[in-house]
Amino acid sequence: NAGVTQTPKFRVLKTGQSMTLLCAQDMNHEYMYWYRQDPGMGLRLIHYSVGEGTTAKGEVPDGYNVSRLKKQNFLLGLESAAPSQTSVYFCASSPTGANHNEQFFGPGTRLTVL
Amino acid sequence: DAKTTQPPSMDCAEGRAANLPCNHSTISGNEYVYWYRQIHSQGPQYIIHGLKNNETNEMASLIITEDRKSSTLILPHATLRDTAVYYCIVRVGPGNTGKLIFGQGTTLQVKP
Repeated sequence: NAGVTQTPKFRVLKTGQSMTLLCAQDMNHEYMYWYRQDPGMGLRLIHYSVGEGTTAKGEVPDGYNVSRLKKQNFLLGLESAAPSQTSVYFCASSPTGANHNEQFFGPGTRLTVL
Repeated sequence: DAKTTQPPSMDCAEGRAANLPCNHSTISGNEYVYWYRQIHSQGPQYIIHGLKNNETNEMASLIITEDRKSSTLILPHATLRDTAVYYCIVRVGPGNTGKLIFGQGTTLQVKP
């Protein structure tokens, strides 16, 4: 099992460019999440999904869109990148289960917006 | 949503027990306490969780006070590889969405 993988690992964008970050998991998990982490801070939830075809907003959703067309993939899109979106992006997935959702994290994508 | 309070940093000698405290005085009866850690630049890693009973696994022990207003994560024999940021999280959200709200955590430095 590869677990949770993220593509790409690094990216540099210019202001106004668009890009899509791909998260894939091979554990058949229902739930998937996108977080961002800024220097010296904990992770903040951007969007999440509780199943194929569903998405919901987290703490900091503005400027991002997501899609979950397949159960194993969760895409995070930046339509018009801004310097404030420079961050490390982590994807996670978790199985369902009453009151217990251990989240498995990917290695992160380091994005710089100039 | 219940919030947590952790000291920003702690030191521990290698081979000794590391005791990381967490306050969650507004925790609700059905909310669990989770601990994750993040080793430099990596994705966070799940450690342990509990509701009201003490829990132990191969990585750590979790001690939750009887009133559930605080807890302690114990790494019984800390090694240099345990140097990381440790996050105490109370699970939030209705239903079973599993959302986790991360604070700033405690930076544990294990010293030789």
